[in-house]
Amino acid sequence: DAKTTQPNSMESNEEEPVHLPCNHSTISGTDYIHWYRQLPSQGPEYVIHGLTSNVNNRMASLAIAEDRKSSTLILHRATLRDAAVYYCILRAGGSQGNLIFGKGTKLSVKP
Amino acid sequence: DSGVTQTPKHLITATGQRVTLRCSPRSGDLSVYWYQQSLDQGLQFLIQYYNGEERAKGNILERFSAQQFPDLHSELNLSSLELGDSALYFCASSVADDRWNEKLFFGSGTQLSVL
Repeated sequence: DAKTTQPNSMESNEEEPVHLPCNHSTISGTDYIHWYRQLPSQGPEYVIHGLTSNVNNRMASLAIAEDRKSSTLILHRATLRDAAVYYCILRAGGSQGNLIFGKGTKLSVKP
Repeated sequence: DSGVTQTPKHLITATGQRVTLRCSPRSGDLSVYWYQQSLDQGLQFLIQYYNGEERAKGNILERFSAQQFPDLHSELNLSSLELGDSALYFCASSVADDRWNEKLFFGSGTQLSVL
């Protein structure tokens, strides 16, 4: 599976937008970009995923660069509950299906 | 609540012992995944089962084994336990073996402490 690079940590203020970057310069044409997050003392939780086009759901938006070598997870209004480790993962199409987690970005939200 | 149930929540045992962790997937999910999370290694994929059959293997030690039963629940067996096996073990399930669009739903984990 192709590798992703994320900042170790980021800080945000409550009720402000947060942009979490992810670089994946070796992404292949069939790789989907998945985001999961892990709140303290909980299992990982699916956030969003996409292939080429930007995606929106009730939790977040995913902006994918035109060359697909980077993407950004956007939380439109951060809340204290959004403090978590966010993982950007590439899922190879036709692969065995397992998610390979990196170290992720630890997001802190200040009131 | 993800719908994935893991038992027990906590397990304390001694080195050399054997333990069994249990996972009940969400209703209708055919795939079950096992992950290990330790402070130094992060989240490590161990093994995946799909409808009773092993589908993918990750960094699973030979002392560890798993199986998925006809009712789709899964068990992870850890034997000859060592101090380094102390970790949080997560189970996840997904609705189908669609590797492009499937979402994994994780349980709240079993905290294993080997003393």
